[in-house]
Amino acid sequence: GESVGLHLPTLSVQEGDNSIINCAYSNSASDYFIWYKQESGKGPQFIIDIRSNMDKRQGQRVTVLLNKTVKHLSLQIAATQPGDSAVYFCAEDTGNQFYFGTGTSLTVIP
Amino acid sequence: DTGVSQNPRHKITKRGQNVTFRCDPISEHNRLYWYRQTLGQGPEFLTYFQNEAQLEKSRLLSDRFSAERPKGSFSTLEIQRTEQGDSAMYLCASSEGLANYEQYFGPGTRLTVT
Repeated sequence: GESVGLHLPTLSVQEGDNSIINCAYSNSASDYFIWYKQESGKGPQFIIDIRSNMDKRQGQRVTVLLNKTVKHLSLQIAATQPGDSAVYFCAEDTGNQFYFGTGTSLTVIP
Repeated sequence: DTGVSQNPRHKITKRGQNVTFRCDPISEHNRLYWYRQTLGQGPEFLTYFQNEAQLEKSRLLSDRFSAERPKGSFSTLEIQRTEQGDSAMYLCASSEGLANYEQYFGPGTRLTVT
């Protein structure tokens, strides 16, 4: 099966600092990648996506970087806030199936 | 439209019983996905529909599981002869377009098999 994994299972950051969450994927044919945020008891919530023809995409306080050479994806959150505390998943779309990583739990320390 | 809805939100059943979950996607969304999520893990893809056609099924979807989307709108996921290992959160998501579009998730149905 496919493998989408995260390097760190937990991450703690001080409020106001920047956060970086990393993800490795294994299918070089995947052409669409998404970062999701999941709070306890809720379904995953879309944060940002990126297609394989791009290497960087910015949203509001978030940036996704894609390095296809090493099959690596990262999510950068600027000025992290307490409301950012959640589990973050990267996911890859092969066109027929959708694979999620295990997740990184982000804790923001006030 | 208030987003993807799932019913019931919680289901407790005894081993061996059948259960059925319902998902109502966002209107006009062509694709509908089912996932299973266990504690501490990411969602695992089960199956997806393009309109009423079921196009892909994961090997995780044993013959006890069946999903339908008869009119291309809402979908049902049935689990027959439930086992304790079926206990999980079952998530539904929908997206517009044919592929590579953002998926909107519902709140999930938490199944507990006793």
